[in-house]
Amino acid sequence: EVQLVESGGGLVQSGGSLRLSCAASGFTFSSYAMSWVRQAPGKGLEWVSSISSGGTTYYADSVKGRFTISRDNSKNTLYLQMNSLRAEDTAVYYCARKSLGSCYSQPDVWGNGTTVTVSS
Amino acid sequence: DIVMTQSPDFLGVSLGERATINCKSSQSVSYSSNDKNSLAWYQQKPGQPPKLLIYWASTRESGVPDRFSGSGSGTDFTLTISSLQAEDVAVYYCHQYYSSPFTFGPGTKVDIK
Repeated sequence: EVQLVESGGGLVQSGGSLRLSCAASGFTFSSYAMSWVRQAPGKGLEWVSSISSGGTTYYADSVKGRFTISRDNSKNTLYLQMNSLRAEDTAVYYCARKSLGSCYSQPDVWGNGTTVTVSS
Repeated sequence: DIVMTQSPDFLGVSLGERATINCKSSQSVSYSSNDKNSLAWYQQKPGQPPKLLIYWASTRESGVPDRFSGSGSGTDFTLTISSLQAEDVAVYYCHQYYSSPFTFGPGTKVDIK
């Protein structure tokens, strides 16, 4: 069964850091692009970042320079290092698999999300 | 950046009736080389992650009921639920994966009238 399980969320003060992890199983992780998508309380979906199977990265302007996406194919794990956190980063963060190794493909499998709360 | 808009914001439909959701992109999301449109539709129920329904604008994901269909090209797209069922109550989002930033529409809430 294809599965994505996020972890690492929690309560952090404004200006602090967190590292989110997404453990993948049931598919050949190294062959797929991956993404982080977030959803603030009561709001819509916001794309955050993507990484291709080859390691090319993309970021939303709202997180560029503060967040870093990475992957460890030997551990089948996706990461999101979040620094200089702001109250507006408060959201549920979803890990999503893209359907191809390219980031220019649709997310087709989603985790259940991990909640990040930034207190001001 | 490609801005995605959806209409309406809210849709109340009687059980068994048709639901139609529109999505518009500020730029074309169509590849001229193969006529493919990089547009997906997702369904999200409360407390759950999004679920992929449609990709390439009109290809139904495996396991998705055939009452869900997608159409459109270029900048204008439609998601149609041909006969609304109680389990279809959800928020529906369109999403373009044509260019970074990979943006989502604001969502359309579908409920029973």
